Amino acid sequence: QQPVQSPQAVILREGEDAVINCSSSKALYSVHWYRQKHGEAPVFLMILLKGGEQKGHEKISASFNEKKQQSSLYLTASQLSYSGTYFCGTEIVRAGSARQLTFGSGTQLTVLP
Amino acid sequence: EAGVVQSPRYKIIEKKQPVAFWCNPISGHNTLYWYRQNLGQGPELLIRYENEEAVDDSQLPKDRFSAERLKGVDSTLKIQPAELGDSAVYLCASSPRPVGARNTEAFFGQGTRLTVV
Repeated sequence: QQPVQSPQAVILREGEDAVINCSSSKALYSVHWYRQKHGEAPVFLMILLKGGEQKGHEKISASFNEKKQQSSLYLTASQLSYSGTYFCGTEIVRAGSARQLTFGSGTQLTVLP
Repeated sequence: EAGVVQSPRYKIIEKKQPVAFWCNPISGHNTLYWYRQNLGQGPELLIRYENEEAVDDSQLPKDRFSAERLKGVDSTLKIQPAELGDSAVYLCASSPRPVGARNTEAFFGQGTRLTVV
């Protein structure tokens, strides 16, 4: 049930764009995105609910394709501070309406000057 | 406002010994989670509380792991006895509403890095 993230790692220069993908084999209720810097706690970026909505956070935005059970995180004009590991968390509805949030293995993003 | 507070930050124990982690969530947050994060992996949910009720503990290894949140505020996670494979970072998170409600986010603590030798 763990979502699959791609790529596993990406290196880019400051100002370049990047896309991180997250896909699931299960029907999704929502997708969450977090960023974790080395030795620190994961920090919430955004949540997307089913309905295909797209949300943004500064120069970071995301989309959620409910039919394909996929989400993509878009980092535009990346900054040095964007470096870290990005995790998607997918939420499915289990029996009894108990929702379960499962995180992917992460995408390590490195932004170079 | 204080964030999620966990203690200790680091713990080294010998295998077969017991260990306990403590978490104080953000004030007013009803939902509390314990996650385990192995190196290079995403957080793995161990247990989720709504107030003092454990609503999802399906991934908690109940033969050696236990958790409690007696008054619906702070929580402890215990391992007894610890095994070498339990070495990981144990993260606590809290949320003002159940996961999935609009605009809900989870706030993570700094975690406890456990090393079992």
